[in-house]
Amino acid sequence: DTEVTQTPKHLVMGMTNKKSLKCEQHMGHRAMYWYKQKAKKPPELMFVYSYEKLSINESVPSRFSPECPNSSLLNLHLHALQPEDSALYLCASSPGTRDTEAFFGQGTRLTVV
Amino acid sequence: AQSVTQPDIHITVSEGASLELRCNYSYGATPYLFWYVQSPGQGLQLLLKYFSGDTLVQGIKGFEAEFKRSQSSFNLRKPSVHWSDAAEYFCAVVTGNQFYFGTGTSLTVIP
Repeated sequence: DTEVTQTPKHLVMGMTNKKSLKCEQHMGHRAMYWYKQKAKKPPELMFVYSYEKLSINESVPSRFSPECPNSSLLNLHLHALQPEDSALYLCASSPGTRDTEAFFGQGTRLTVV
Repeated sequence: AQSVTQPDIHITVSEGASLELRCNYSYGATPYLFWYVQSPGQGLQLLLKYFSGDTLVQGIKGFEAEFKRSQSSFNLRKPSVHWSDAAEYFCAVVTGNQFYFGTGTSLTVIP
């Protein structure tokens, strides 16, 4: 299994809603990532979990809250988002050793209304 | 600091023609380089990678890339483009667990 699975594929939420994005991998990878991608732009790193501990937080607003319940799962909790947060949210994983490739999920298309 | 530059924002080629997408990197040590492809609304798919060894690397879908240290380049090539190759292409370098992506090149294929 070489897949990173993200759910849901599409999400529409109001600015007062609370929702969560989910990501799962069964490749035994120990590093997992959240990226945000706007149209026609490269992915922007948000968070990195390494061995289930948050190792990088790229100054992301607190309305985004990551969680890594175990080595296979990664969540992104969303609360009080703004319309400018509408984007494609990508999850990725890598083996956890240095300097290796990352495998990406298909993304969640988030629209904030 | 590490960085990746893709000089071409958009390229248009005819189906069956050859393709070269440019990528230049700035990195102090031996870089670990990747090319990813992204179809509209989809995630990123790894095309190929360079870690060390042979400077010409083969990837999936008939793509190859050549690492040239003297030019700090890692250009992606394909001898004959198919309509299904139309997509966004990203070059990336990794250090530790942090990826640095180029700004991407959008490829249009005309019949």
